[in-house]
Order: sequence, then structure tokens, then C-alpha cells
Amino acid sequence: LAKTTQPISMDSYEGQEVNITCSHNNIATNDYITWYQQFPSQGPRFIIQGYKTKVTNEVASLFIPADRKSSTLSLPRVSLSDTAVYYCLVGDYGQNFVFGPGTRLSVLP
Amino acid sequence: DSGVTQTPKHLITATGQRVTLRCSPRSGDLSVYWYQQSLDQGLQFLIQYYNGEERAKGNILERFSAQQFPDLHSELNLSSLELGDSALYFCASSSPLAGEETQYFGPGTRLLVL
Repeated sequence: LAKTTQPISMDSYEGQEVNITCSHNNIATNDYITWYQQFPSQGPRFIIQGYKTKVTNEVASLFIPADRKSSTLSLPRVSLSDTAVYYCLVGDYGQNFVFGPGTRLSVLP
Repeated sequence: DSGVTQTPKHLITATGQRVTLRCSPRSGDLSVYWYQQSLDQGLQFLIQYYNGEERAKGNILERFSAQQFPDLHSELNLSSLELGDSALYFCASSSPLAGEETQYFGPGTRLLVL
């Protein structure tokens, strides 16, 4: 299972674009990269998933360079309601899967 | 609403007791996962079931056990409870079509052991 490293916390202001980078140097060939969002006392919510290059949905974009050793979650024009913990996960969820501490994003007015 | 339901929402019990947490996956999902999240801690994977069979095991204590029934709902049994077992317990499910990487989480059961 590929280990991931993310910043522990980030601050931003409303209306700004936020980029959260995750490092996963030992990602395996078959691994996908998945991001989740968690609000306090709620279960994590799937945001986006990708394998390579760029993926975009109505919520976020995911940028993955050619070597796949890192990935960047991009949240356009954040609002106060985007304040949450964001988790980057890589690998096979069936094998001793562990969420790391994630990145605690605080959006300020 | 993820479509995953968990009961009860809150549970208060005493040390040494036994409790059962229940999870109903989304319609059509065959996999169920259980996680534990202590205060201000990350999510700890406990166990996964797929179509009634145990598929993967995380750091689940021997005092904890789970099962998935023919109707695909799952139960997590916690026994000989200790103060440190107080936590949020989440259940998640995934579809065999979408893959295990995409999990849908329930609202959780908050367990308080006094």
C-alpha cells in the first residue's frame, strides 16, 4: 500500500483557488488516486479519483504528473463550507487500508 | 445522503459491556467496510466484507467482530468495552462496478463508553 504525505493544515480565503498536494512516491502501477472530504462528525465523502493526467468534475480537479509520484487536488473558488479535512488515498482499499491524518483546510471570510 | 444507513446514531454504555452496531449498504453494493475514528484522529480501517465473506482485515481488536448477512447488511460487535473504545464508528460500502476505491460512508455511530 502506497504511503501518502500531505500538509497537515492549510488556510485560505473565500473565493480563492486552493491546491492541496499529496506525495506518493511508491505508488504501484495499478493504483488509483482518490480524494475524500470529511466534515466534523460526518463520514468522508468521495470527491474525485484519477489515474493519470487531469480529471475534472463539478466539485474539483485532480492533476497527476506523468511519474504519478504526486497529485494535486484543486478546489476552485472555495467558500466557507469547504472547510473540512481532505484525505488523499492511493492503492488497493482491500489491503489494510488506512486513512492518513489528511489536510485540515480552513477557509476564512 | 450517501445511501448508507447506520444505527444507532448514538450509543452510551459502560465498560465491560457489549454492543452491536448495524449498517445497511447502498442498494447493489456488495462490499461493506468498518472504520473507527477516535476524537481528532484519522480513520482506522477495521474490516471489510464482500458478499458475506471477510475480505480484508485491518487493526481490528480481538474483542471486536463483524459479519455480513445474506441481505448484505452488516453488524459490528464490540465486547468487553473499554474507555478507549469511545469513538465514531463508520460503515462504508462500495459497488463491484465502481471498485473498492470509491466508498460511500454512512453517518456513523457515536459510541461513548463510561
